[in-house]
Amino acid sequence: GAVVSQHPSRVICKSGTSVKIECRSLDFQATTMFWYRQFPKQSLMLMATSNEGSKATYEQGVEKDKFLINHASLTLSTLTVTSAHPEDSSFYICSAQREGRGYEQYFGPGTRLTVT
Amino acid sequence: GESVGLHLPTLSVQEGDNSIINCAYSNSASDYFIWYKQESGKGPQFIIDIRSNMDKRQGQRVTVLLNKTVKHLSLQIAATQPGDSAVYFCAEIPLHTGNQFYFGTGTSLTVIP
Repeated sequence: GAVVSQHPSRVICKSGTSVKIECRSLDFQATTMFWYRQFPKQSLMLMATSNEGSKATYEQGVEKDKFLINHASLTLSTLTVTSAHPEDSSFYICSAQREGRGYEQYFGPGTRLTVT
Repeated sequence: GESVGLHLPTLSVQEGDNSIINCAYSNSASDYFIWYKQESGKGPQFIIDIRSNMDKRQGQRVTVLLNKTVKHLSLQIAATQPGDSAVYFCAEIPLHTGNQFYFGTGTSLTVIP
């Protein structure tokens, strides 16, 4: 149990376009989901915390108007990279906290975004 | 954000030897620490965790040691296998901030057959 999926696994888009990444908890309800960004050979950087039905909380330095997060249900959170630029190319990973299971996070497989 | 760092960016060990991966953390108020393994192009995989009121915890072939005095965390892997080759991250969780995880730099472990 506790499987998290992401879609798509890879996406290539042109500069200036927007891209939506989905994060789903497949077999549990996730009250909180997190979004991370990871550049090559670097660590995971927390971008934002997403609670179902409320606005996301962004980490310092992360542009909320550029990285739109929607957590519309207990099993789905989406990250939309708006007006993408080549510097937004990165590996985006989501995680989900299982309702009633405290701090444990279950990570998705990641989405590789390449902006050309 | 929090600052969690690792001492060594790369580590090479012979198959069958023990591996020790270190991590320094900065927030003495952190409540939990977790070690993750990440293979290339994949999401992090949970290895083992330890609560701040413990100094040692053992799993299958892995042991985590926590030294709160010097804010140091280590992961020991016994009888390292080629499948252990990956990047290892420690994460600290200060629960008062809302369960966010803050990851360290990462150590790339290469197991030499």
